[in-house]
Amino acid sequence: DQQVKQNSPSLSVQEGRISILNCDYTNSMFDYFLWYKKYPAEGPTFLISISSIKDKNEDGRFTVFLNKSAKHLSLHIVPSQPGDSAVYFCAARGGYNTDKLIFGTGTRLQVFP
Amino acid sequence: DAGVIQSPRHEVTEMGQEVTLRCKPISGHNSLFWYRQTMMRGLELLIYFNNNVPIDDSGMPEDRFSAKMPNASFSTLKIQPSEPRDSAVYFCASISTGDYGYTFGSGTRLTVV
Repeated sequence: DQQVKQNSPSLSVQEGRISILNCDYTNSMFDYFLWYKKYPAEGPTFLISISSIKDKNEDGRFTVFLNKSAKHLSLHIVPSQPGDSAVYFCAARGGYNTDKLIFGTGTRLQVFP
Repeated sequence: DAGVIQSPRHEVTEMGQEVTLRCKPISGHNSLFWYRQTMMRGLELLIYFNNNVPIDDSGMPEDRFSAKMPNASFSTLKIQPSEPRDSAVYFCASISTGDYGYTFGSGTRLTVV
């Protein structure tokens, strides 16, 4: 049973436009959410995170939104750049007393010129 | 810091053979995680250790898989006997308790023929 779901396996966006990646979760005990970015032949790297007590966190071109009532979070990238082309994983932490992260299946973002 | 170091980067083996994957976490990190990446399930947690002790091995697929962490600077994931369905990329990650973002290694791509 997938507790963290990324229903769009791929997304294609033109350079300069906004990219929106979505993630849904089922467990209301998750207390922290993270986005990771992965290039081919490399390990995932941490991108941005948000605590469950907040609804928005912004870092430069990247903004994560959390809607707890809908158990939904999204990552906005604006403006999108070709270097953003990668696989993006959504992850959720199982609670304040654990380091365990549950990951989604990933969304492959392609930014074209 | 050299980051999380995994070896080998690639492993091709025949069905039925034993495979051992290795991981050196970042010095000072006290939690270590083994994940497997597949198209269908994304990043799937196999097992994690805290202070060298296995905390959660519920993701280990079956008895053919075993993991050890004999000291704070080394962990192994062993598959014996290996099967073609074990083919995947295996990642190791580490973190200090209280932090949020894992640091991942570059992964080991395992192919069982």
